[in-house]
Amino acid sequence: QVQLQESGPGLVKPSQTLSLTCTVSGGSISSGGYYWSWIRQHPGKGLEWLGYIYYSGTTYYNPSLKSRVTISVDTSKNQFSLNLSSVTAADTAVYHCARGSLDSNYVDYWGQGTLVTVSS
Amino acid sequence: QSALTQPASVSGSPGQSITISCTGTSSDVGTYNLVSWYQQHPGKAPKLMIYEVSKRPSGVSNRFSGSKSGNTASLTISGLQAEDEADYYCCSYAGSNTFKIFGTGTKVTVL
Repeated sequence: QVQLQESGPGLVKPSQTLSLTCTVSGGSISSGGYYWSWIRQHPGKGLEWLGYIYYSGTTYYNPSLKSRVTISVDTSKNQFSLNLSSVTAADTAVYHCARGSLDSNYVDYWGQGTLVTVSS
Repeated sequence: QSALTQPASVSGSPGQSITISCTGTSSDVGTYNLVSWYQQHPGKAPKLMIYEVSKRPSGVSNRFSGSKSGNTASLTISGLQAEDEADYYCCSYAGSNTFKIFGTGTKVTVL
């Protein structure tokens, strides 16, 4: 059973960089066929795709956030990370990491999510 | 890159069937048979219910079914149960540039 767990600060100041790490257990990030994603959910709102990374390092970012998002992978630690720069209150959300299928484009495993609040 | 359109809420009585629509465009739902549906209970992570329009993952009840016609995908829940009360989101592949789009979400209420 694959499990994902987000970790990182729950409070970030405006204009700073939000940094989160997702630790994967029960499966290897280096196994092919899957991409590793960050998805966020504003309080009481819907889901927003931030981007994904493949174990090789290939990335895709949501065009609306592309200039501020960076996703990286550390296969030796079985982790991948999210950096979101120049944050504002509008970036306050629950951030989920997740695993997706490359072929069928669904997300089958999700982390529980971590609330990140942007406030001074 | 606009979200797929879903009704804000759908309700039904126990035992009834309900259908949630997910309307996109010819650039996403209408072109790709890569629509998935997710169930989310309050405070929980989303759960995959349907993928590739109509396929059910192992462990998902056969009361959940999916279909697509043109630019609109649908999720049907038959034999509605209290535990089905949750938010539901559709998601579609939208090509290599846009990649993925989620729906606006539908709150299902069991009366």
